Amino acid sequence: SQQGEEDPQALSIQEGENATMNCSYKTSINNLQWYRQNSGRGLVHLILIRSNEREKHSGRLRVTLDTSKKSSSLLITASRAADTASYFCATAGLTGGGNKLTFGTGTQLKVEL
Amino acid sequence: ETGVTQSPTHLIKTRGQQVTLRCSSQSGHNTVSWYQQALGQGPQFIFQYYREEENGRGNFPPRFSGLQFPNYSSELNVNALELDDSALYLCASSLPQGRMNTEAFFGQGTRLTVV
Repeated sequence: SQQGEEDPQALSIQEGENATMNCSYKTSINNLQWYRQNSGRGLVHLILIRSNEREKHSGRLRVTLDTSKKSSSLLITASRAADTASYFCATAGLTGGGNKLTFGTGTQLKVEL
Repeated sequence: ETGVTQSPTHLIKTRGQQVTLRCSSQSGHNTVSWYQQALGQGPQFIFQYYREEENGRGNFPPRFSGLQFPNYSSELNVNALELDDSALYLCASSLPQGRMNTEAFFGQGTRLTVV
């Protein structure tokens, strides 16, 4: 079963605009990760935020985590057409380690020229 | 490119048949997990292998089984294929299990179609 929901399911913006995606999850976590998937192929890791962190930046990406609300957001600034992809959040539980990840339902982002 | 390779890339099987999917993990990674991704859905965890032993399993029936070899490569076997098994199967490798806050490196997946 999926860990939670991502919102919105689909997002269409113009190049240069910012894109914000939200993720909710259900159980306690060790960390939350965001992945990108192009055209139904392999997933590419974007960023990992630990449960004791509230915000993290990587290039044009900004991730926030609110463990009290069991939610996270991914902000992509100054979007480009190449950012068009599906974005998934994934949570790692308190036990097990490795890559036993529980994924959300994903947000399809389309960036138009 | 993540260094995780999967084969084959596409596969068509008939209902009731058996299939084996293969994965070579990234160098230095001894933990391999398999995921099933149905169309329009997020990946779902099938199971994880660490040092050739199954170490955690998702909500999948026993006809989904796996192996991990001494070189850390892995196989996913599915018996008695059903139409609902049609999906993208993803393999992911990561650093040793004890390291909790590590990313997973995914292969490009095998697209399985059951007819």
